[in-house]
Amino acid sequence: DAGITQSPRHKVTETGTPVTLRCHQTENHRYMYWYRQDPGHGLRLIHYSYGVKDTDKGEVSDGYSVSRSKTEDFLLTLESATSSQTSVYFCAIRSTGETQYFGPGTRLLVL
Amino acid sequence: SQQGEEDPQALSIQEGENATMNCSYKTSINNLQWYRQNSGRGLVHLILIRSNEREKHSGRLRVTLDTSKKSSSLLITASRAADTASYFCATADDTGTASKLTFGTGTRLQVTL
Repeated sequence: DAGITQSPRHKVTETGTPVTLRCHQTENHRYMYWYRQDPGHGLRLIHYSYGVKDTDKGEVSDGYSVSRSKTEDFLLTLESATSSQTSVYFCAIRSTGETQYFGPGTRLLVL
Repeated sequence: SQQGEEDPQALSIQEGENATMNCSYKTSINNLQWYRQNSGRGLVHLILIRSNEREKHSGRLRVTLDTSKKSSSLLITASRAADTASYFCATADDTGTASKLTFGTGTRLQVTL
């Protein structure tokens, strides 16, 4: 699993509340990614980071922000959660090659 | 929009049979990768094929790439019940760092005894 952990693993929250998901890696990889997975859509890139304080938007970034203040942590924040953000969220890192290694996922339910 | 589209969406076969999944994509690529996802788990990388390669093997996996048709196929030979999973293709574009992957919608494979 390339030393990737995600927290929390499950979360239920209410519409309008802020939510922060954490991705932690232990192997000093430069690239980190946040995806969401929904039925019929596969995985879609939300944001990614190519270094500390260096981030960029992905395909579905609206309503999400990220921060990376240190190499090992990549945070995904939903400033004001909506029901459309109910999903499974995966963090990934890119190894020295070009493949990605994924965390176990976080199931988020927004009521 | 999705770069890769897998076909079929779902596939059910018996143990010992071969399983073939196809992926089509839209833009020029640097490489194409296949991933497996077991139910409730994260994705696991299976194999990477570069744009200048036509075929690649890894154990019971065989991947082909046809850049003229913008398509790839994944063949799993002599399938086992443990191969039951969803399979995704992902493309890395050729615009520079190839740091981003675009995933398809996946093929759900069911292997029965």
